[in-house]
Amino acid sequence: GDSVTQMEGPVTLSEEAFLTINCTYTATGYPSLFWYVQYPGEGLQLLLKATKADDKGSNKGFEATYRKETTSFHLEKGSVQVSDSAVYFCALSDKNTGNQFYFGTGTSLTVIP
Amino acid sequence: DTGVSQDPRHKITKRGQNVTFRCDPISEHNRLYWYRQTLGQGPEFLTYFQNEAQLEKSRLLSDRFSAERPKGSFSTLEIQRTEQGDSAMYLCASSLAGIPNEQFFGPGTRLTVL
Repeated sequence: GDSVTQMEGPVTLSEEAFLTINCTYTATGYPSLFWYVQYPGEGLQLLLKATKADDKGSNKGFEATYRKETTSFHLEKGSVQVSDSAVYFCALSDKNTGNQFYFGTGTSLTVIP
Repeated sequence: DTGVSQDPRHKITKRGQNVTFRCDPISEHNRLYWYRQTLGQGPEFLTYFQNEAQLEKSRLLSDRFSAERPKGSFSTLEIQRTEQGDSAMYLCASSLAGIPNEQFFGPGTRLTVL
């Protein structure tokens, strides 16, 4: 069945460091891929998405490219800020399975000044 | 604010009691989803509705769980005879049918079963 495997955390970085959070997926069809972010005490917010192979999603300096050949959707940011401290979830949605979302386990990021 | 809302935000109950949660989706969204999230895990799908029809249920949704969306607007999730293992955050999300299926999440209801 469909699933998402996400890099385990927690991750601690200094401000302005480069961030990569790895995400790979398994899907029977052609899923859409998402990164959601959960700030402390808040609900899940969509960060970025990509709907087909080679699409690049981007938002707030974060980027992720849908790589069908490696079944990956790694999240990157060139220079993290303290305000980026949150839990990041990779997810997929597959119309063949009713568009329910399959989430990874989440990666906690802490950025220190 | 016209986002997804959930009520209550927190619920503490004793084992064996029944609880009911409510979700109000974004008004024009015809799909509504329920998820459960336990500590340190990502959300797990429970069930979803398109309008008032419940189209899919996860095997996680035991017979103690029931969800309704009677008029295709708000939804309720009821847990009967709660168990300590039901303690979790219950998330609701809504979306428009179609591709890409971007789901908008509510703040969740945190259930603690003593």
